[in-house]
Amino acid sequence: DQQVKQNSPSLSVQEGRISILNCDYTNSMFDYFLWYKKYPAEGPTFLISISSIKDKNEDGRFTVFLNKSAKHLSLHIVPSQPGDSAVYFCAASDGTYKYIFGTGTRLKVLA
Amino acid sequence: NAGVTQTPKFQVLKTGQSMTLQCAQDMNHNSMYWYRQDPGMGLRLIYYSASEGTTDKGEVPNGYNVSRLNKREFSLRLESAAPSQTSVYFCASSGSGRDSIQYFGAGTRLSVL
Repeated sequence: DQQVKQNSPSLSVQEGRISILNCDYTNSMFDYFLWYKKYPAEGPTFLISISSIKDKNEDGRFTVFLNKSAKHLSLHIVPSQPGDSAVYFCAASDGTYKYIFGTGTRLKVLA
Repeated sequence: NAGVTQTPKFQVLKTGQSMTLQCAQDMNHNSMYWYRQDPGMGLRLIYYSASEGTTDKGEVPNGYNVSRLNKREFSLRLESAAPSQTSVYFCASSGSGRDSIQYFGAGTRLSVL
């Protein structure tokens, strides 16, 4: 049973527009969420995180929103740039050392 | 600043062969992890080590063993490789804090024929 779901395998966006990547989770014990970005032939790199005590966290062009009642989080990238083209994974933790990762969304930013 | 280093980068095995994937980190992290990434499956935790001297099973431990050799090194062993273990393997490390970020190596691409 997939506890963290990214239902969109891929997304294409024009350069300069907003990219919205979505993630849903089922475990109400998750209280810390992260987004990772992965380029081909590289390991995932940390992008941004959010604790369940917040509903929004912003870092430059990247903003993560958390809706606890809906068990849903989203990553907004504004404005999108061609260098943002990558696979994005969301991950969730229940406070233990283990993170559960989603299946990833491949973002393609078109120049 | 190396971060997390994995060796080898690529490996081809025949069914039944054994091999060890090596991982080392230079960030003085207590926790280390092994994941596998398969198409459509995301990253799945194989084993993790919360601190030196301890290891625990993750989601998909069958067919694997691990050794936390010291604080820096965490190896993953396939005793008898199977085609189902064809995957990309990532090692990661993190601090001990509750919300510590995991830092990943570049991965090992393994094919079992």
